[in-house]
Amino acid sequence: QKEVEQDPGPLSVPEGAIVSLNCTYSNSAFQYFMWYRQYSRKGPELLMYTYSSGNKEDGRFTAQVDKSSKYISLFIRDSQPSDSATYLCAMSSGSGNTGKLIFGQGTTLQVKP
Amino acid sequence: NAGVTQTPKFQVLKTGQSMTLQCAQDMNHEYMSWYRQDPGMGLRLIHYSVGAGITDQGEVPNGYNVSRSTTEDFPLRLLSAAPSQTSVYFCASSGQTDTIYFGEGSWLTVV
Repeated sequence: QKEVEQDPGPLSVPEGAIVSLNCTYSNSAFQYFMWYRQYSRKGPELLMYTYSSGNKEDGRFTAQVDKSSKYISLFIRDSQPSDSATYLCAMSSGSGNTGKLIFGQGTTLQVKP
Repeated sequence: NAGVTQTPKFQVLKTGQSMTLQCAQDMNHEYMSWYRQDPGMGLRLIHYSVGAGITDQGEVPNGYNVSRSTTEDFPLRLLSAAPSQTSVYFCASSGQTDTIYFGEGSWLTVV
């Protein structure tokens, strides 16, 4: 069993929909939780960064962490065609900036105009 | 500001050949790492470095070597390429902030 599980999709939604992306994990030592967005043939770019449990909001994006359930989510409101990409969750037990991350498999999202 | 630069972007190797993937960053970051990305597997950590002269193994280190002689550069060496090393390779760097910056990727095919 992988330490981090993520439904690979693909997920297809109409423009304006609310998108929910999720990851589960098994390692209770994870403290830092991240969401990356990756466009085709590009490197991942950081979207959201959360330490421990709780919610964090940034514009149309909201990240939630529930450490008791070992479950994290990313919500995208008013989704746009430009949001079409692969979304990767990532986690770390140490300091979140050292580059030692465990990634989920990634979920491919398509937002149709 | 170039950020994280990887070369080459595309490479085809024959089984048994060796090669080096180059990675350079111009942000004076102390942390650098190499990942490989395979379909359905996400990114997996190969090697990482917490500063010049210090490296350690990640999740999938076999068949790869690294060194960190300067803060800026973190090359990844394939010692004897195998078809199982066909993948997309990403270099990443980070400093004291939360953000980890990734390069654009290097597509490697081993035939």
